[in-house]
Amino acid sequence: GENVEQHPSTLSVQEGDSAVIKCTYSDSASNYFPWYKQELGKGPQLIIDIRSNVGEKKDQRIAVTLNKTAKHFSLHITETQPEDSAVYFCAASMDSGGGADGLTFGKGTHLIIQP
Amino acid sequence: SQTIHQWPATLVQPVGSPLSLECTVEGTSNPNLYWYRQAAGRGLQLLFYSVGIGQISSEVPQNLSASRPQDRQFILSSKKLLLSDSGFYLCARDSGGLRETQYFGPGTRLLVL
Repeated sequence: GENVEQHPSTLSVQEGDSAVIKCTYSDSASNYFPWYKQELGKGPQLIIDIRSNVGEKKDQRIAVTLNKTAKHFSLHITETQPEDSAVYFCAASMDSGGGADGLTFGKGTHLIIQP
Repeated sequence: SQTIHQWPATLVQPVGSPLSLECTVEGTSNPNLYWYRQAAGRGLQLLFYSVGIGQISSEVPQNLSASRPQDRQFILSSKKLLLSDSGFYLCARDSGGLRETQYFGPGTRLLVL
């Protein structure tokens, strides 16, 4: 089955600086890679996703890059703000063509924005 | 609306007691539904998924079971809780057309003592 590794487990950056979180996956058949943000005591919220036919996707201060050859993808947050502090999860999935598709998650990165 | 409701929000139960967590969803009919568990300091683990009423698939062997008595209702149960069942339980649905895009409910925090 799929295995997703996520690094670092904790990341502390100064407000206004950039933050980068990296993930690797094992199954070359995976073709969908979402990123979730989870605030304390709440369910994860989808913030951005990318499919294997795209190398990069950007949404305001958030961008995701995908390298299918190396089987890794990254989340980039620029101009970080205090409200960016949260746990971020990457995930990978393969559209099996029928039925439900569970996501395989990384173990999360606790992002701390220092004022 | 893709709203997902979960209750209770928090639950403290003694070891050996039964469990019933409920999830209901709004929006399109016949959604694919999922139960995940999140242990402290760890990622999310898929426990069960359902593609329709009465259809349950289990991803990992465990002390828990799931049922889907109605199209938009998904229940997580146990006959006898273990200490290791403590965690944050999340119900999710996918977007239908693109099954991989999943949306999560607010979660239930379960503490087994």
